[in-house]
Amino acid sequence: KAGVTQTPRYLIKTRGQQVTLSCSPISGHRSVSWYQQTPGQGLQFLFEYFSETQRNKGNFPGRFSGRQFSNSRSEMNVSTLELGDSALYLCASSSNPGTDVEQFFGPGTRLTVL
Amino acid sequence: TQLLEQSPQFLSIQEGENLTVYCNSSSVFSSLQWYRQEPGEGPVLLVTVVTGGEVKKLKRLTFQFGDARKDSSLHITAAQPGDTGLYLCAGALTGANNLFFGTGTRLTVIP
Repeated sequence: KAGVTQTPRYLIKTRGQQVTLSCSPISGHRSVSWYQQTPGQGLQFLFEYFSETQRNKGNFPGRFSGRQFSNSRSEMNVSTLELGDSALYLCASSSNPGTDVEQFFGPGTRLTVL
Repeated sequence: TQLLEQSPQFLSIQEGENLTVYCNSSSVFSSLQWYRQEPGEGPVLLVTVVTGGEVKKLKRLTFQFGDARKDSSLHITAAQPGDTGLYLCAGALTGANNLFFGTGTRLTVIP
């Protein structure tokens, strides 16, 4: 079974631009979560989607947004990029978003903001 | 402030040595997971523990969940270079669908 895929793997943007990252979960998984990973803050939860609805949101500004499509694929968008947004953005999918939170991660998208 | 604190932050040991990584919190978790992440990759799940006091073994790795479900440890016996990586603990709070990750322990095993 194919794993979680994320595109693109690497991205370079400049301050003020916006960016869209894509995530395709494992087939059959309906829950998709997004995390930001930086050397200073570690892995921080951004938001989680299930059946096209955002169910949970971390403590990030409104510049960070996401959505999920009917096929469970998800995108996240960051507008008005800042230097501090440079990070590895990880997507994780889960089959049962209830009490079972075992998540399977993709390889991430490395975003560099210049 | 991180919900889960890991120690040590960095660990460099010789092949064949034993080591223990700790994951501590003041919060109670419904489950706790351990992941290993290698450069350029996402974290890979190693184990999930759900019962206070639970001990799970995965070959040379032993995972323990504290009785009060606030802390966990990972013990590696006879470390090998292939164990090198970033070890992350992650806890799930009751009713939440996201994980809270620890600060991470970067392990280097020298041949």
